[in-house]
Amino acid sequence: QVQFVQSGAEVKKPGASVKVSCKASGFTFSSYVIHWVRQAPGQRLEWMGWIHAGNANTKYSQNFQGRVAISRDASASTAYMELNSLRSEDTAIYYCTRDWLDNSGSFDSWGQGTLVTVSS
Amino acid sequence: QSALTQPRSVSGSPGQSVTISCTGTRSDVGAYNYVTWYQQHPGKVPKFMMYDVSKRPSGVPDRFSGSKSGNTASLTISGLQAEDEADYYCCSYAGTYTWVFGGGTTLTVL
Repeated sequence: QVQFVQSGAEVKKPGASVKVSCKASGFTFSSYVIHWVRQAPGQRLEWMGWIHAGNANTKYSQNFQGRVAISRDASASTAYMELNSLRSEDTAIYYCTRDWLDNSGSFDSWGQGTLVTVSS
Repeated sequence: QSALTQPRSVSGSPGQSVTISCTGTRSDVGAYNYVTWYQQHPGKVPKFMMYDVSKRPSGVPDRFSGSKSGNTASLTISGLQAEDEADYYCCSYAGTYTWVFGGGTTLTVL
């Protein structure tokens, strides 16, 4: 079955960077687009960006432009999301998710989420 | 990118129907039929409930239906059940391969 396993919780200081991993299994990784979505405590879902796991093309939300980088290691079926210049407002659960239907925004399977806490 | 507008909360009694609206602009909801809906129970991962405005993924009960008119998409849940109590989020394609979520709606089953 389709499954994503994300890396564990992180605590970072303001100004630092964090890199979250997302290991996929149960499907042909390189055939899909992987998106990253975050959710601050008690807040809404927020789309961050995507990567095509096959050709490594990426697209980012303007809200994170210049601070986020999404990459992948196709040989390891793993996607990564790195967020730089962290601030307290970046405290959130970060999810990876698969776009099931040809980059149509149909996020059918989600990782368990990675809590990133930014605190001095 | 501004979030799509959803009511903060809606409620209904078991067996009734409720509709959750999701209002965007001519640049997102109004321009494309790529509206999806997600259900999220407290402390859980979002669940994929609807795609392409009105198509249900396998396993989603037919009590859930979707529609769109102009810049507003809607999710209707008929025959409300206790387990439908959750947060619901809409999401729309916003052009240039970007997406935007709504602010979320809390559904309370009375």
